[in-house]
Amino acid sequence: EAEVAQSPRYKITEKSQAVAFWCDPISGHATLYWYRQILGQGPELLVQFQDESVVDDSQLPKDRFSAERLKGVDSTLKIQPAELGDSAMYLCASTPVGVTGEQYFGPGTRLTVT
Amino acid sequence: SQQGEEDPQALSIQEGENATMNCSYKTSINNLQWYRQNSGRGLVHLILIRSNEREKHSGRLRVTLDTSKKSSSLLITASRAADTASYFCATPAGANSKLTFGKGITLSVRP
Repeated sequence: EAEVAQSPRYKITEKSQAVAFWCDPISGHATLYWYRQILGQGPELLVQFQDESVVDDSQLPKDRFSAERLKGVDSTLKIQPAELGDSAMYLCASTPVGVTGEQYFGPGTRLTVT
Repeated sequence: SQQGEEDPQALSIQEGENATMNCSYKTSINNLQWYRQNSGRGLVHLILIRSNEREKHSGRLRVTLDTSKKSSSLLITASRAADTASYFCATPAGANSKLTFGKGITLSVRP
């Protein structure tokens, strides 16, 4: 069964360092989402792509976060510089049928900033 | 801001018992979804109910939707230890109908 792939699964970094996460959605899924999930909370959308275009990045802290999906397939989320408050689970999801349908999630990347 | 609010925040039951979880939301929706998250893992979609549906079943899951009360409930029957997880309701909201999640319910099923 096709799955959303994410790497790395775990990342420990020091504050002020740069960190990057990678996501490969299910083949053929045009819409890709990056979420941040703080421990004990629900996921919060950071950025949404439709193919290679950003549809919604209203909650993305653009002074330090960037996201790209250059060829409309896989995607990278970068944080530079990382802050202690960025410690969280970063989840990638994709969907073939638009934003109102079921979303398929990857296993996530657990980021710890020390 | 979060659209959905789940209740209770935590639930502990014995294996074999039924678990009922509730979700309230604020604005009009065209569907409501329930997801499960095992500890340290990604979310798994459980069931989607559309605004014109009142009840939906999937295996041991039963979901109801009351649009007049802006609320939904998820019932897991004959619970198993493997059902131990966090459960989230989610609704599309906003101009792009982005999916917004509640804070989740932590379900513990004791063997």
